[in-house]
Amino acid sequence: DVKVTQSSRYLVKRTGEKVFLECVQDMDHENMFWYRQDPGLGLRLIYFSYDVKMKEKGDIPEGYSVSREKKERFSLILESASTNQTSMYLCASYGVRGDTDTQYFGPGTRLTVL
Amino acid sequence: KQEVTQIPAALSVPEGENLVLNCSFTDSAIYNLQWFRQDPGKGLTSLLLIQSSQREQTSGRLNASLDKSSGRSTLYIAASQPGDSATYLCAPGGAGNMLTFGGGTRLMVKP
Repeated sequence: DVKVTQSSRYLVKRTGEKVFLECVQDMDHENMFWYRQDPGLGLRLIYFSYDVKMKEKGDIPEGYSVSREKKERFSLILESASTNQTSMYLCASYGVRGDTDTQYFGPGTRLTVL
Repeated sequence: KQEVTQIPAALSVPEGENLVLNCSFTDSAIYNLQWFRQDPGKGLTSLLLIQSSQREQTSGRLNASLDKSSGRSTLYIAASQPGDSATYLCAPGGAGNMLTFGGGTRLMVKP
């Protein structure tokens, strides 16, 4: 079974702090994604990566950056956290080999910025 | 830009009923469509993926159909159970398997 893990289930940070959200997948997937989910707005794509050291902006990249130094790990960075970044953050991955394009999601990180 | 609408937004039914959840999307140039389940406060679990060349996929009591040309997909749940209570999300996939999500249907199945 594909496993996508996220470093924290719940996180509380203060305005202005630098925040790191980590995502790790164990299936050698090339593609990894970061989404945020908000009531009434659904899931929105922040950043994605097609390979190590590659990154592409999604629909709402402002205020975020990412890092992909190793294939299995994709980090989301909030350079200076703000209250409007309070949200549920979801990581996903999928591989280009095999017979499926299924995206597999992690359990999510509920981030609160005070 | 792809827009995805799911109807109904919420549904409450007694146990045992057969259900239909609807999804419509504006851009028919999709590569696949995925249905997910999300329990409160949790991540997404993939239920079914339909490739653009397929008309339907089945897994147990779930059956998903796809009419790409009309921009519609339907998720059928047979003989619903309380354990099916969750939010169901539809997500058509474009180039690079970029998913666009609908707002979801929040389902409650009462014993």
